[in-house]
Parts: sequence; structure tokens; C-alpha cells
Amino acid sequence: QSVLTQPPSVSGAPGQRVTISCTGSSSNIGAYYDVHWYQQLPGTAPKLLIYGNSNRPSGVPDRFSGSKSGTSASLAITGLQAEDEADYYCQSYDSSLRVFGGGTKLTVL
Amino acid sequence: QLQLQESGPGLVKPSETLSLTCTVSGGSISSSSYYWGWIRQPPGKGLEWIGSIYYSVSTYYNPSLKSRVTISVDTSKNQFSLKLRSVTATDTAVYYCARDDFWSGYQWGQGTLVTVSS
Repeated sequence: QSVLTQPPSVSGAPGQRVTISCTGSSSNIGAYYDVHWYQQLPGTAPKLLIYGNSNRPSGVPDRFSGSKSGTSASLAITGLQAEDEADYYCQSYDSSLRVFGGGTKLTVL
Repeated sequence: QLQLQESGPGLVKPSETLSLTCTVSGGSISSSSYYWGWIRQPPGKGLEWIGSIYYSVSTYYNPSLKSRVTISVDTSKNQFSLKLRSVTATDTAVYYCARDDFWSGYQWGQGTLVTVSS
């Protein structure tokens, strides 16, 4: 049972927009802690996709965006492409502890 | 450019101690700006934070693993290490080391698969 709750799966057709939610509580996302998002392609290590709730590292397309409100955060992907098919994880903090969501598998139809 | 590389045995017997080392290049592990951490991923499952260490001063562990885990730093070698005692088959996973930062998240190593089996 993960501290942060994500939908197990989402799907969308190429070109569409999908969102992935990440729900926490007042002790983690609802406190002042940032949320980070990671993309994990099959057989590879996770890669930082969004940091500090809504910031993209260099090289991440602007099709990816993040937001945070209250005890939840969201990752949005617009203009869906086949290469976006991957697992996505949110991560935050609960005092000194690091907490992850259970992961969401994105399928591009 | 920061790079992290895990190393250690790929097979550990039940009840023994899993020991992994992460070698950091392209940056100093002595930097006071960052934590250094370990995360694992059992086959087909999600990510689980194991613990993090700050500047050889503070360590933080997942409460579910705290009794069995030790993370340490060797600044002379620019490395940090993980020891997980009394392993069972449920500890079989890909183990990742990472730079851990509150503001910029994790920067990951490539990961190493550790199988617990006799």
C-alpha cells in the first residue's frame, strides 16, 4: 500500500491529452513538500520528468506538465505519442521520509 | 555530468547480508547540498524508498526496513553504500542508488538486480 495514490493505468490515443493524479494527505503533499514525477520506460531506470511540482528538466518536452493543489498533484501529457508509453511515478516527502506513488501504466492506443 | 553506478553481488543467500556500493562521478558526495539514497523495485512492482544519508551526518530509513538497513558514506572514494541484513526472497529487486534532493528530486543510477536465493 503506497502512501501516495495513483491510478494503476490510464490510456489515450495518439495526439490526445491524458492526466495522471497523485493523491496524498496533509502530512505529505498537503504540507509544504514538493512533488516530483518520474518516467520509467520498460527495462530502464526511472528518469526525472517534473521536479518541484511543475518544473521540467532540460530536454523534457513541454508536452509534459505538472501541477499541485491541496493534497493532490497531477501530471498532464498533451499530444500523446507512442514513445510516451511507460510507467509514471509521483514522489514527495513526509517529514524526513521519501514517499512514492504506486505507479501508473500509460498505454498509447 | 553527474553519474551514479551501483555495484555488488547479484545473488545473495537467504538470511545473509546484501551489500551494495554506489560510485559517484561528476560531482562530490561531500557536497552539503544533497542527500544520497537507495530505492528498490521488486520485479513487476513499484518503487520503494529504502533510505537516504546526508553529508555523513544524518540517515533516514523507511520504517518498514529500518531494523535491517544501514547506509554509509565513504568520502575518500566518493561512494556510498547499502547494507540490508537478514534478507529473504521478498528482498529480490532492482536496487537503485540516486542523488536525492528536496528541490530537484532524484537523479538515478542505472540499477542492479539482486536476487535472494539459495
